[in-house]
Amino acid sequence: EIVLTQSPATLSLSPGERATLSCRASQSVSSYLAWYQQKPGQAPRLLIYDASDRATGIPARFSGSGSGTDFTLTISSLEPEDFAVYYCQQRANWPPVFGQGTKLEIK
Amino acid sequence: EVQLVESGGGLVKPGGSLRLSCAASGFAFNTYSMNWVRQAPGKGLEWVASISSSAKHIYHADSVKGRFTISRDNAKNSLYLQMNSLRAEDTAVYHCASSTVGQCNDGSCYADHWGQGALVTVSS
Repeated sequence: EIVLTQSPATLSLSPGERATLSCRASQSVSSYLAWYQQKPGQAPRLLIYDASDRATGIPARFSGSGSGTDFTLTISSLEPEDFAVYYCQQRANWPPVFGQGTKLEIK
Repeated sequence: EVQLVESGGGLVKPGGSLRLSCAASGFAFNTYSMNWVRQAPGKGLEWVASISSSAKHIYHADSVKGRFTISRDNAKNSLYLQMNSLRAEDTAVYHCASSTVGQCNDGSCYADHWGQGALVTVSS
């Protein structure tokens, strides 16, 4: 089973700053990686799939990059509504595991 | 607008059974794979099961294999999760999720629309 490791566990930034979140896979997942955002009491929301494709309705400030084992989610300029928990997820093979999450909090 | 609405959650004793349902609308349900993903209180996300559009291909996580069964009724636009032999560690919010973007590989998909979830509590 593939293991996804996200870093950092917590990221403290201010609105307007740039956020860089990392996800590392224990073996290659090619480009089959997604990013989700989850706010308290809400279901997750798909942001990015296939490493770099934005899902419908996702603002351009969200971007994804990487392939193989190392992936990055970048939020170019943080808005107040972006503070949440972010998960990566692979679909290269079964089971489609998630990373443990990165909490993006207001500094 | 895509809508996924779960029902059937509740409190059940260890060893008991529960059946979750998910009513889907706003998209061609019979065309896409569907999934159940759970989240234990205060914890991360765990993919539980996936089913292909025609139900030809079905996958369950090792943690639930032999106890849970995913199924669907395309005529009713509905997804189900039959949960037997429930354990305390199955306590979680169970989300129904569709996979209408990207491809699926051996049951591994992306989850692009999610329901709000059904809380299942296993406790004596």
